[in-house]
Amino acid sequence: GNSVTQMEGPVTLSEEAFLTINCTYTATGYPSLFWYVQYPGEGLQLLLKATKADDKGSNKGFEATYRKETTSFHLEKGSVQVSDSAVYFCALSDLGAGSYQLTFGKGTKLSVIP
Amino acid sequence: NAGVTQTPKFQVLKTGQSMTLQCAQDMNHEYMSWYRQDPGMGLRLIHYSVGAGITDQGEVPNGYNVSRSTTEDFPLRLLSAAPSQTSVYFCASSYQKPPSTSPLHFGNGTRLTVT
Repeated sequence: GNSVTQMEGPVTLSEEAFLTINCTYTATGYPSLFWYVQYPGEGLQLLLKATKADDKGSNKGFEATYRKETTSFHLEKGSVQVSDSAVYFCALSDLGAGSYQLTFGKGTKLSVIP
Repeated sequence: NAGVTQTPKFQVLKTGQSMTLQCAQDMNHEYMSWYRQDPGMGLRLIHYSVGAGITDQGEVPNGYNVSRSTTEDFPLRLLSAAPSQTSVYFCASSYQKPPSTSPLHFGNGTRLTVT
């Protein structure tokens, strides 16, 4: 079956530090990959996505590259801000499995301190 | 743009009570779903619908019912609430049903406590 594994949190960084949140996946077909972000008290919202191997998704200074050879989709940002404090979820939608649902990782909580 | 609207935002129930969590979307999305979010467990799919009149079970369907009489609405019913159903519930919709490249749009959640 499909699965998504994210690095355990919480992660605490100082403002302007470099961020990496690791995500690896297992899928039976050809998945699309997503990063969602959840700010305190809100629902999840799409941060970025990539639909095929070697695609790079980017938004708000965040980037992630779809690496089929390592089955990874790590989230990176060069300089984090306090406003980036949130929970980040990696997810996949498997085009080969025919399953009508996304598979989510357990989430990684990021706290950025001034 | 209202997007996905969930009501209520907060609810406290006693064990054995029933209630309905409401979810409505105004984006003409084909696919709608309900998740629960628990600490350390991430998001778990309860039920989903790929169109009006069509529903199916997700990962954790026991104790919950759904219906999809219109494209816009997808209510979640708790028939007899239990403390194990204390959680934050999210409704989400997308233009195309998974698997696809369409992202999910989430509501802001309902925080339910069962005592």
